[in-house]
Amino acid sequence: EAEVAQSPRYKITEKSQAVAFWCDPISGHATLYWYRQILGQGPELLVQFQDESVVDDSQLPKDRFSAERLKGVDSTLKIQPAELGDSAMYLCASSFLYTEQFFGPGTRLTVL
Amino acid sequence: DAKTTQPTSMDCAEGRAANLPCNHSTISGNEYVYWYRQIHSQGPQYIIHGLKNNETNEMASLIITEDRKSSTLILPHATLRDTAVYYCIGLNRDDKIIFGKGTRLHILP
Repeated sequence: EAEVAQSPRYKITEKSQAVAFWCDPISGHATLYWYRQILGQGPELLVQFQDESVVDDSQLPKDRFSAERLKGVDSTLKIQPAELGDSAMYLCASSFLYTEQFFGPGTRLTVL
Repeated sequence: DAKTTQPTSMDCAEGRAANLPCNHSTISGNEYVYWYRQIHSQGPQYIIHGLKNNETNEMASLIITEDRKSSTLILPHATLRDTAVYYCIGLNRDDKIIFGKGTRLHILP
């Protein structure tokens, strides 16, 4: 069964360092999402791509976060510089048009 | 998105049916009811969705009241692996998902 791949699964970094997360969606899924999930809360959408275009980045802290999906397939989410409050699970999901979303296993980020 | 209200937590005995309620009294006519669940340390998993008719798939059944103000997700024979946080969400097909805090379901051996 096709799955959304994410790497790394775990990342520990010091504050002010740069971090990057990678996501490979299910083949054929044009829509890709990045979510952030703080412990004890539901996931919060950071950015949504339709193919290579951003369609919603209203909740993305653009001073330090960036996301790209250059060829409309895999995607990278970057944080520079990381802050203590960025410690969270970062989830990637994909969907075919606007049907149900399929989530990857996530990257757990710890900022020290 | 329609605001949804779910109990914070529920217990269910293994092998019994788990019935998870959700209130969505402000849901509009073109908003679907979606259910996702999240097992500990994993990404959310889609379960089922419906508009106004009851729906059933290999994972669960979704019962939506005639006035569409509430619904119930039914796991017919709960197992320990069904222990998770269950999210009820009301949205249009092209809306972004807004997750609440969901219901933490504990399946008891």
